[in-house]
Amino acid sequence: GAGVSQSPSNKVTEKGKDVELRCDPISGHTALYWYRQSLGQGLEFLIYFQGNSAPDKSGLPSDRFSAERTGGSVSTLTIQRTQQEDSAVYLCASSLGAAGRTDTQYFGPGTRLTVL
Amino acid sequence: AQSVSQHNHHVILSEAASLELGCNYSYGGTVNLFWYVQYPGQHLQLLLKYFSGDPLVKGIKGFEAEFIKSKFSFNLRKPSVQWSDTAEYFCAVNPGGYQKVTFGTGTKLQVIP
Repeated sequence: GAGVSQSPSNKVTEKGKDVELRCDPISGHTALYWYRQSLGQGLEFLIYFQGNSAPDKSGLPSDRFSAERTGGSVSTLTIQRTQQEDSAVYLCASSLGAAGRTDTQYFGPGTRLTVL
Repeated sequence: AQSVSQHNHHVILSEAASLELGCNYSYGGTVNLFWYVQYPGQHLQLLLKYFSGDPLVKGIKGFEAEFIKSKFSFNLRKPSVQWSDTAEYFCAVNPGGYQKVTFGTGTKLQVIP
C-alpha cells in the first residue's frame, strides 16, 4: 500500500521567504509527527498530532514554525521568514495512534530544505 | 524531559565482525524503546521495538537488543555484520502510554567488505 509521502522532495529558498512543506500520511493513521534532521543532530521532534486532540507543539524551535493538519489527514509545516539555520531535512511520520501505547512510526522520504 | 544518548557517532567494522551500539536514556518510569535504521537513500524504518515482556528483543536481519532497566540501556547487537548493514541507526524512547518519541543523534555504521 501507499506509504507516507512528502512534497516537495527538495526546496531551495532565499533567506526571509516563507515555505510550506506537505505530508500525506498513511490512510487510517491518526498520529502524525514532524521531525527535523540536521547533520550530526539526529532527529529533532517538532510537533505531534493525534486525532482531534490539540497538537503537541513543544518541539517547535520558534514562532516562525507552525503546522496544521486538515481533516485529520494531510499536514502542512510552514516556516516563515526562513533563516539559514533552518536548512535541514524535514521528516514526516505517521502511526496508527492506538490509545495508551506507541506504535511503529512510518516515515516519509523527507523534504530537503536549503535556505540561501 | 527525557533524553536519549548514543555515544558511538561513527563505527567502522569489517564484515563478520560483531556489533554493539550503545543507547542510554533518561526517564525513570515505564518506557517503550525502539531502534530505527536508515539505509543509504532510503526512508527510516523500524528495526525492532520493546514494549514489555522478554527484555531481549529480536528484530529484522538478525539484529537484537537487550533492555536493561537498571542501566537505562537498550543496546543493539548483531553477531556478524554484513556490508549491507551499512546504514545509520537511531535509538528512540518514549514514556509508556504517550506517543511522543525522542530520538538519539544516530550512529553511522560503515561495514567494509
